Amino acid sequence: AQTVTQSQPEMSVQEAETVTLSCTYDTSESDYYLFWYKQPPSRQMILVIRQEAYKQQNATENRFSVNFQKAAKSFSLKISDSQLGDAAMYFCAYRTTSGTYKYIFGTGTRLKVLA
Amino acid sequence: ETGVTQSPTHLIKTRGQQVTLRCSSQSGHNTVSWYQQALGQGPQFIFQYYREEENGRGNFPPRFSGLQFPNYSSELNVNALELDDSALYLCASSSKGARAKNIQYFGAGTRLSVL
Repeated sequence: AQTVTQSQPEMSVQEAETVTLSCTYDTSESDYYLFWYKQPPSRQMILVIRQEAYKQQNATENRFSVNFQKAAKSFSLKISDSQLGDAAMYFCAYRTTSGTYKYIFGTGTRLKVLA
Repeated sequence: ETGVTQSPTHLIKTRGQQVTLRCSSQSGHNTVSWYQQALGQGPQFIFQYYREEENGRGNFPPRFSGLQFPNYSSELNVNALELDDSALYLCASSSKGARAKNIQYFGAGTRLSVL
């Protein structure tokens, strides 16, 4: 069975600085998808970034980028020029490409942005 | 804003009662997944519905059941409520198909408290 691990329960970053959130996963599959979702106090999970395992190129979305290391089963999220609005819970998620397209989530990292 | 709406936003029940949670999926989506998010944890997959049929189930007992309607909206029913059922219940809609981006879009959830 697949598992997702986020080893940083909480992280802090100064406004305008860069922070990296870690995620590791375990799977025997060769093809899958990985995601980072943000959950603010409003509770709605918002997609931050998506990576397809067969693509070697790291995904980027504006200030958000990932470091995808398939062999190491690592998928970290880098947030550049951090803003107060980035403060939230961040969840790493794994999704298979066959069968039930369920997400397997990590336990989350709470990101605090300091003014 | 994802276009996925859930009702009610909050609910208080007593142990042993039954509850129904509702979800309206995003326009054009044919798949609905339900997740349970306990306090301080990542969401856990309950089940998924695709074209009105259950398409996979997580490690939840049969007292958790669901429905999907022809308009792809969905219900989650929980019978014989237990204290441990207190959680945030998230609904996510997605589209299965060749052009789908395999992204699940989440509602803001229903907070269920069992007393």
